[in-house]
Amino acid sequence: QVQLQQWGAGLLKPSETLSLTCAVYGGSFSGYYWSWIRQPPGKGLEWIGEINHSGSTNYNPSLKSRVTISVDTSKNQFSLKLSSVTAADTAVYYCARGDYGDYGRYYYYYMDVWGKGTTVTVSS
Amino acid sequence: SSELTQDPAVSVALGQTVRITCQGDSLRSYYASWYQQKPGQAPVLVIYGKNNRPSGIPDRFSGSSSGNTASLTITGAQAEDEADYYCNSRDSSGNHPGVVFGGGTKLTVL
Repeated sequence: QVQLQQWGAGLLKPSETLSLTCAVYGGSFSGYYWSWIRQPPGKGLEWIGEINHSGSTNYNPSLKSRVTISVDTSKNQFSLKLSSVTAADTAVYYCARGDYGDYGRYYYYYMDVWGKGTTVTVSS
Repeated sequence: SSELTQDPAVSVALGQTVRITCQGDSLRSYYASWYQQKPGQAPVLVIYGKNNRPSGIPDRFSGSSSGNTASLTITGAQAEDEADYYCNSRDSSGNHPGVVFGGGTKLTVL
């Protein structure tokens, strides 16, 4: 059974860089898109970006200028860096596995495996 | 980029049927996936694809789609179904390839 284990610093000061890593255990790394999602306190889910095993990335346009997602296939890990953080970046950050395909005319996409989440607080 | 719109809150009497909807242009080409999130926990996938349930998800959960609207139906809602529900798909607009989430629906079981 695939599991995602994530870690990283939980307390940052404004202007610092958030850095989180997610390790994939028990399954293949290739053939999927690996995403970062965040959830500010009391709010909904916000997709940050994704990467596949070959390093191809897509980012949320609202965060693109500050986000870098990278992959280390030798360790089955992917990482998130978010620069110049402010209090608005305070959130629980999740990593997740994305699967996709099509039924001919229709496509499908879903995130079937999630990390437990890391609480990141930005405060001076 | 595409957006997915959900009603902020829905309530259902115990044992009754409730439908949670999600609207967006991307749903004309993507099946929505649905996630249940309880307080302090990570989201859990409950419906994906045309109408598929991951292992362990009760069969009272079902999904459907018509035009730009996807629906999650809970038939015979239980107290443990009280949670936030999010829909999700990929952005099909072509401008910014990526993923979109609905704003979430808080389900209260009365």
